[in-house]
Amino acid sequence: DAGVIQSPRHEVTEMGQEVTLRCKPISGHNSLFWYRQTMMRGLELLIYFNNNVPIDDSGMPEDRFSAKMPNASFSTLKIQPSEPRDSAVYFCASTHGLQETQYFGPGTRLLVL
Amino acid sequence: SQQGEEDPQALSIQEGENATMNCSYKTSINNLQWYRQNSGRGLVHLILIRSNEREKHSGRLRVTLDTSKKSSSLLITASRAADTASYFCATDGETSGSRLTFGEGTQLTVNP
Repeated sequence: DAGVIQSPRHEVTEMGQEVTLRCKPISGHNSLFWYRQTMMRGLELLIYFNNNVPIDDSGMPEDRFSAKMPNASFSTLKIQPSEPRDSAVYFCASTHGLQETQYFGPGTRLLVL
Repeated sequence: SQQGEEDPQALSIQEGENATMNCSYKTSINNLQWYRQNSGRGLVHLILIRSNEREKHSGRLRVTLDTSKKSSSLLITASRAADTASYFCATDGETSGSRLTFGEGTQLTVNP
């Protein structure tokens, strides 16, 4: 199995631009999580889906952030418009059941100038 | 403060020594997990201990859980330079569903 796949691995953009991060979970996993990691705030859960349905988006910082999961094998996290404070590493993780081990992707390192 | 808090924040030891990291949490949990993160990489699951377990082993790893003190420890025995990484505890919380809350991590450096 290829594990959780994220793209792009690195993204540099200018303030105000739209950013789309992509994630392909492990086949057969039915829960997907988006996290953000910064030195200041550590690892924060942004949103998670179960069976493609958003369950908890209380961690999404503001309306500029949105996430979708149109099918079991694909999810996107979009930031529009992006701001310098959005610079962070964004991780996607998946699992095959509730309250079980999460498998993390390699992350997308985002820099907003 | 966060549900899971690791202690110490940073630990530097020599190869062959044991490394102990601690985690404290605030609310009741179903299980507690430890993850490892190498620099620039994603987190990798190490071990899960359930609330009704007190100790668990996996290779050179030993995890303990004390629910009365709301704390856990991760012991890495006979450390190697390759163990250098950040280690995070994560708790699920009885009412948080599959949502995990991660601590701030302990940065372990094993010097060859």
